[in-house]
Amino acid sequence: DAGVTQSPTHLIKTRGQQVTLRCSPKSGHDTVSWYQQALGQGPQFIFQYYEEEERQRGNFPDRFSGHQFPNYSSELNVNALLLGDSALYLCASSQGLGLFLAKNIQYFGAGTRLSVL
Amino acid sequence: DAKTTQPPSMDCAEGRAANLPCNHSTISGNEYVYWYRQIHSQGPQYIIHGLKNNETNEMASLIITEDRKSSTLILPHATLRDTAVYYCIASYSGGGADGLTFGKGTHLIIQP
Repeated sequence: DAGVTQSPTHLIKTRGQQVTLRCSPKSGHDTVSWYQQALGQGPQFIFQYYEEEERQRGNFPDRFSGHQFPNYSSELNVNALLLGDSALYLCASSQGLGLFLAKNIQYFGAGTRLSVL
Repeated sequence: DAKTTQPPSMDCAEGRAANLPCNHSTISGNEYVYWYRQIHSQGPQYIIHGLKNNETNEMASLIITEDRKSSTLILPHATLRDTAVYYCIASYSGGGADGLTFGKGTHLIIQP
């Protein structure tokens, strides 16, 4: 059973460019969340997708957008890249949005390391 | 989600029990305490969660004080592979219905 997979593993961009990161959720999961982790910090929640719509969003600007496909996979897009966007971007999947159940655990991928020069 | 406070780093000898503390004095009655860990260059991994009672699974034990203002994660026989950053999170769910709020966590170093 494949876990959460993310691609690419590493990416280098320059300021002002746009980037797209991809995530395939764990089998049986329908909800995808994205996090940004700067060096030495804990992950910060960006947003969550369910039924192809953004359902929850953290404190991130509109330059960060996403998409979820019918097969539950997801993309994170970042426009007009800034140096401060350099970070590890983590995707997490879970089953069943709206289920505020204690057992509704997120499973994380290994992340995409984005460097903005 | 309630804020949690953890020591920035801890050391533990291999084979000994590692006890990681967490303060969550503002936790609400229906918020659970979750523990995740992140091994270098990997994504966070769920360990255990609890509400009031002590919990144990194949990875660890979780002890929550009666007033629920603090908790301790116990790794009974730490190995070098347990070296990681451990995050204590107070949440209404395991993140599956909303985003998790991570702090800086505790960097646990297991010494040979």
